[in-house]
Amino acid sequence: DQQVKQNSPSLSVQEGRISILNCDYTNSMFDYFLWYKKYPAEGPTFLISISSIKDKNEDGRFTVFLNKSAKHLSLHIVPSQPGDSAVYFCAASARTNAGKSTFGDGTTLTVKP
Amino acid sequence: KAGVTQTPRYLIKTRGQQVTLSCSPISGHRSVSWYQQTPGQGLQFLFEYFSETQRNKGNFPGRFSGRQFSNSRSEMNVSTLELGDSALYLCASSYGSNSPLHFGNGTRLTVT
Repeated sequence: DQQVKQNSPSLSVQEGRISILNCDYTNSMFDYFLWYKKYPAEGPTFLISISSIKDKNEDGRFTVFLNKSAKHLSLHIVPSQPGDSAVYFCAASARTNAGKSTFGDGTTLTVKP
Repeated sequence: KAGVTQTPRYLIKTRGQQVTLSCSPISGHRSVSWYQQTPGQGLQFLFEYFSETQRNKGNFPGRFSGRQFSNSRSEMNVSTLELGDSALYLCASSYGSNSPLHFGNGTRLTVT
């Protein structure tokens, strides 16, 4: 039973356009959601987070949207840059237990110049 | 601040052997978590330590164990290695229970 799902293994967008990465979860106990970015041969790097009391959180070019009723979150990157090309992982946890996060399988984003 | 340091970066072991991986968290971080990543898979949670105590445990067999020392450094041990244990093992530290994880670059374990 995969509690966090990223249904698109890969996504390709043109530089300057919007990238939208999606994530679905099933566990109602999750109330803290994060996105991590991973380059080859490196560990994941924290990108942005959102708690269940919000439906949107913005940080520069990155915005995360949370739809609690649909148990769905998405990461928007605007505008996309070639340096954004990486694997993006969605993660979820109870806010008081972020050390035990459940991760999706990742989406490989390719931004073409 | 120095990041999370994992040693060694690469390891090749034979089936049946045991292995110990090491992790030094960011200074001031008391929580250390371990994750396994296999090809095409997301990160699977192994366990979390906080103040030398195992706080959470994932669904891995007892061959996987860990510990945390008083300086927050952590080690992970896998005994009786199997071919399926070949993976990238990632260590992450965090400041508190509701903080993002800071990952090291991982230890790539290959079991032959």
